[in-house]
Amino acid sequence: QVQLVESGGGVVQPGGSLRLSCAASGFTFSSYVMHWVRQAPGKGLEWVTSIGFDGRNKYYADSVRGRFTISRDNSKNTLYLQMNSLRAEDTAVYYCAKDRCRSISCYSAYWGQGTLVTVSS
Amino acid sequence: QSALTQPRSVSGSPGQSVTISCAGTRSDVGGYNYVSWYQQHPGKAPKLMIFDVSKRPSWAPDRFSGSKSGNRASLTISGLQAEDEADYYCCSYAGNYTFEIFGTGTKVTVL
Repeated sequence: QVQLVESGGGVVQPGGSLRLSCAASGFTFSSYVMHWVRQAPGKGLEWVTSIGFDGRNKYYADSVRGRFTISRDNSKNTLYLQMNSLRAEDTAVYYCAKDRCRSISCYSAYWGQGTLVTVSS
Repeated sequence: QSALTQPRSVSGSPGQSVTISCAGTRSDVGGYNYVSWYQQHPGKAPKLMIFDVSKRPSWAPDRFSGSKSGNRASLTISGLQAEDEADYYCCSYAGNYTFEIFGTGTKVTVL
């Protein structure tokens, strides 16, 4: 069955960096768009970034462009999110999600359990 | 990249129907048939309930239905049940720059 397991969350100071990972199993990882979606405490879902099936095309929300970098290693079935210059407003649960499509955003039937990132001094 | 607009809350008694609207633009909801809806219970990951505007995954009860007219999508829950009390989010593909956009979220309360 499809499994997505995020890791790498934790507490980091403002201006610091963190790298999240999402280990995927149960499907052909290299065939699908993957997303990172976050949810600040008590707030709604916010799309953060997505990457095409082969890693060539990457998309970012304005709120993270230039600070966050999405990548994937299809040989390791793993999705990454490198977060730099972190701000208090980046505090959230970060979910990885598998899309049905290869190059556009169709829908995500599978989500990880989320990993909490807290940016605080 | 403004979020799609949803009502903050809707409520209904068991057995009643409720409809949640999702207002976008021709660059997202109105431009593509890639509208999906997610249910989220507290502390849980989102769960897909509707995809491609009106299709249901195998796990979604048939009391959930979706539709779209112009730049506005809707989710209807017919025959409301206690377990339907949750937050609901619409989501749309938005092209090669914005890519994906979520709605502001709607809390459904079963009275």
